Amino acid sequence: EAQVTQNPRYLITVTGKKLTVTCSQNMNHEYMSWYRQDPGLGLRQIYYSMNVEATDKGDVPEGYKVSRKEKRNFPLILESPSPNQTSLYFCASKRTRSSYNEQFFGPGTRLTVL
Amino acid sequence: AQSVTQLGSHVSVSEGALVLLRCNYSSSVPPYLFWYVQYPNQGLQLLLKYTSAATLVKGINGFEAEFKKSETSFHLTKPSAHMSDAAEYFCAVSVEAGNQFYFGTGTSLTVIP
Repeated sequence: EAQVTQNPRYLITVTGKKLTVTCSQNMNHEYMSWYRQDPGLGLRQIYYSMNVEATDKGDVPEGYKVSRKEKRNFPLILESPSPNQTSLYFCASKRTRSSYNEQFFGPGTRLTVL
Repeated sequence: AQSVTQLGSHVSVSEGALVLLRCNYSSSVPPYLFWYVQYPNQGLQLLLKYTSAATLVKGINGFEAEFKKSETSFHLTKPSAHMSDAAEYFCAVSVEAGNQFYFGTGTSLTVIP
């Protein structure tokens, strides 16, 4: 089944404790992206990647890092999480960078930073 | 720069009534427009997309949307609401040669029996 998977689905952590949220897609998509969803703000793009070893900042990149060493994986790293990073996070992928292509979304990761 | 405005963060309709969810976009170049639906505790699922072909776009589950350039709008409609349509709906815009995707703030649809 074609899908985007994220792990973990739920995470509660404390301020300053480094964490990684994994994202993997099995559709051989070139483009991958991370979003955070907050009430009243919709989804905002954190980082995106057009292909392996090609990443760029979205609208809200502060406090986050990403890497794209393999085509299928695009982990989101929070080196020193803070409470304002408590949010619902979605990973997405699409076939190519072309704006014509729709994005496919993972199930989401709900992160709470205490 | 591109942006999306969804009027009405909450919309309630009776079962069987018309569903109308509003989306206006801002773009200096021809846009690609998308509607996504998010059911509780799930990710986003594509309902339909406009990619400069027909201005009236039909999607899944009986939804459709019409691209109106003069009004910079892409409103989502469904003739008859079903209880299973209760969800959050997001409009999004992207442009060719642009690498980013911009979402509206979402509209939560409630269907009253």
